[in-house]
Amino acid sequence: DAGITQSPRHKVTETGTPVTLRCHQTENHRYMYWYRQDPGHGLRLIHYSYGVKDTDKGEVSDGYSVSRSKTEDFLLTLESATSSQTSVYFCATRAGNYGYTFGSGTRLTVV
Amino acid sequence: DQQVKQNSPSLSVQEGRISILNCDYTNSMFDYFLWYKKYPAEGPTFLISISSIKDKNEDGRFTVFLNKSAKHLSLHIVPSQPGDSAVYFCAASPYNNAGNMLTFGGGTRLMVKP
Repeated sequence: DAGITQSPRHKVTETGTPVTLRCHQTENHRYMYWYRQDPGHGLRLIHYSYGVKDTDKGEVSDGYSVSRSKTEDFLLTLESATSSQTSVYFCATRAGNYGYTFGSGTRLTVV
Repeated sequence: DQQVKQNSPSLSVQEGRISILNCDYTNSMFDYFLWYKKYPAEGPTFLISISSIKDKNEDGRFTVFLNKSAKHLSLHIVPSQPGDSAVYFCAASPYNNAGNMLTFGGGTRLMVKP
């Protein structure tokens, strides 16, 4: 178990407000990822990081930004939340093999 | 265009019988394939994987089959148990992707009836 903690677990926010989701890992893994899960779409990659201050865009990055100032923390920010960003967000890390370890998710509702 | 597809959104089987979950992919660069299992309110957890150099990998009740020519893989669960009821995601990755990013299918919800 990679010891991944996501916070908050649930959040309701209003359209147009900024929101930051946090992912914290205790295993010193280099690679970290943010995915969103939506019905019919499975898990889609938003952004990923391959080290401190090294990040890149994924498949659905529009409207999202990320930051990684420390190995253990990977933050996902919605600059101005929209209803289309209502989703369940998962953070993941990768160890030496190909597999991911996921956090428990953050359920975000934008009203 | 989805590169990894799970065409069956849901599957219902009787306890003790075989569950077969299917996955198709389009990207010829995919070299490594994984199955993840997800319970409600939890993150996905790794179940089983297979490299393209193999056509079968078995782990207890779970077996994954890979047909590279058809770009198709399947997960067999024998015998199925009620605790197997979950959403199953197929995922794929190209070998030479430095970040080893996984591309996921849309998921199949398996319901095992007692």
